[in-house]
Amino acid sequence: NAGVTQTPKFRVLKTGQSMTLLCAQDMNHEYMYWYRQDPGMGLRLIHYSVGEGTTAKGEVPDGYNVSRLKKQNFLLGLESAAPSQTSVYFCATGMSSNEQYFGPGTRLTVT
Amino acid sequence: KQEVTQIPAALSVPEGENLVLNCSFTDSAIYNLQWFRQDPGKGLTSLLLIQSSQREQTSGRLNASLDKSSGRSTLYIAASQPGDSATYLCAVDVKTDSWGKFQFGAGTQVVVTP
Repeated sequence: NAGVTQTPKFRVLKTGQSMTLLCAQDMNHEYMYWYRQDPGMGLRLIHYSVGEGTTAKGEVPDGYNVSRLKKQNFLLGLESAAPSQTSVYFCATGMSSNEQYFGPGTRLTVT
Repeated sequence: KQEVTQIPAALSVPEGENLVLNCSFTDSAIYNLQWFRQDPGKGLTSLLLIQSSQREQTSGRLNASLDKSSGRSTLYIAASQPGDSATYLCAVDVKTDSWGKFQFGAGTQVVVTP
């Protein structure tokens, strides 16, 4: 029972490159979230999903896309990375909107 | 827009002292408030969840209070230990569109010295 896992753990991209971050959960949770965390700021919601096949925008969605084709996976894509997207990205899941179980994070640097 | 503030940003106390961490929010129309702990390089772990109808929650040495009318929550950690060193974040659930959306504070970084 791995809980919430994120792949990769670290990544360095050049400006303009693309990549996909994977969040996987084995807890059969309906809700999944992608956040970014920057120094001196709290977590900010990028996109979220309330069930398989659904996605919606959060507070800071620009420059990101997401997909939830399978209940257990939530993918976050950067089509053309920018230095402003240098951050730590966290995935979270929950069975209800009251709870959030977090993954270990992905540290992304865009040069 | 709901804003969540945590003051101070950092705190250092000697082992054995009680810790008092503050969280304030601008909109009192919340559904619940959670306190999380984050260790360096790790994800967040939920510590306590207070529903809007509750005034406090307790778990072991941790006690969290909620005063919606004044837009404040306080996390008390009794008899602090070096293992309590971490960043503590509060998050407010401001449900819109019929689902939960959390607004996080920036956190208070705590160091407990032996």
